Amino acid sequence: AQRVTQPEKLLSVFKGAPVELKCNYSYSGSPELFWYVQYSRQRLQLLLRHISRESIKGFTADLNKGETSFHLKKPFAQEEDSAMYYCAPTPASGGSYIPTFGRGTSLIVHP
Amino acid sequence: DTAVSQTPKYLVTQMGNDKSIKCEQNLGHDTMYWYKQDSKKFLKIMFSYNNKELIINETVPNRFSPKSPDKAHLNLHINSLELGDSAVYFCASSQDRLLVYGYTFGSGTRLTVV
Repeated sequence: AQRVTQPEKLLSVFKGAPVELKCNYSYSGSPELFWYVQYSRQRLQLLLRHISRESIKGFTADLNKGETSFHLKKPFAQEEDSAMYYCAPTPASGGSYIPTFGRGTSLIVHP
Repeated sequence: DTAVSQTPKYLVTQMGNDKSIKCEQNLGHDTMYWYKQDSKKFLKIMFSYNNKELIINETVPNRFSPKSPDKAHLNLHINSLELGDSAVYFCASSQDRLLVYGYTFGSGTRLTVV
């Protein structure tokens, strides 16, 4: 069964500290992986896609196929990074499936 | 230009009423979705349409009825509103149903049932 797990409901750090938001998935095949961000009372926005291998706002995410993880990292957190972060794998290969988001991790960066 | 637009942004209504939320996308995407975000910020898919065809209908009470007059529009009609329907409803679109490029979300409709 498809499953995506974000084990931390809340992550609280101080400005300048490193941040890692965890995401583990259980999908058959080779899923495409995404992180979305939702700032307070705003729409969800695509933060980054694995296939792009890009860094957005200082965030990166590495796909570890062995551990089936796609953790989101930033070396130095900023206050403006405070938001909800959602991990969302998709099969990207056809067939029937139900798109699923992780339950989300609330990141709070203190001054 | 807003890519995915929803109206209204806020909706406060009494139990038992019927209401609709409208969504439009100008991205030329084939697939559109309705998601419900509850008070714990969980995101749960409700419906998905691909080129006006319903492809996902996820255990949603039949008081909820989506309608897609064309692939750029997906509306949500809710009958006999209940307190538990209070949530933020997000419309989204994607280039196709495979979601290779991810979603584009609307700004959400905050529904409060009193």
